[in-house]
Amino acid sequence: SQQGEEDPQALSIQEGENATMNCSYKTSINNLQWYRQNSGRGLVHLILIRSNEREKHSGRLRVTLDTSKKSSSLLITASRAADTASYFCATPPNTNAGKSTFGDGTTLTVKP
Amino acid sequence: NAGVTQTPKFRVLKTGQSMTLLCAQDMNHEYMYWYRQDPGMGLRLIHYSVGEGTTAKGEVPDGYNVSRLKKQNFLLGLESAAPSQTSVYFCASSYFGREQYFGPGTRLTVT
Repeated sequence: SQQGEEDPQALSIQEGENATMNCSYKTSINNLQWYRQNSGRGLVHLILIRSNEREKHSGRLRVTLDTSKKSSSLLITASRAADTASYFCATPPNTNAGKSTFGDGTTLTVKP
Repeated sequence: NAGVTQTPKFRVLKTGQSMTLLCAQDMNHEYMYWYRQDPGMGLRLIHYSVGEGTTAKGEVPDGYNVSRLKKQNFLLGLESAAPSQTSVYFCASSYFGREQYFGPGTRLTVT
């Protein structure tokens, strides 16, 4: 089973609107990472939030982490067409379990 | 500073052939990873390494072998390719368990 699972699977919004994506995970973590993937390209790291942090900001990105619920959310404010991509949450590999760290992602489409 | 590079970028194999994918990083990262990504899906961890000379199995290790003889290189081998191994393969590296830096991917087709 996947360690990180994103929700929703797909999201379509208008330029200027906000986009919220959620991630759930199963085991304890030291940190949780969010990545973006443009079609056919490698993943690019967006933001890392440590387990002792509840919220983190980076430009138009806001990430929250709730370790009691084992969930995280990524908010993109004032979205742009260039934000169209797939977004994934990930946790570092668990040395003992070796479980996959990425979910299937949320595909975001921002319409101009 | 090239980051993470992967060789080759594309490859077509016939069933039963073997090949090695090479990943190199110049960031002195301890951890390195091999993932596969099938269409419309996320990344699945094949194998990873937490240091030179060490490797560990990920979620989908069957049919693959890896070696980390040098800190900067992580090799992924397919001993006898199968059509089910048709996928895009991504290598990544990280400073221990921190954010991962990805290569551009290798698109492999097995016929």
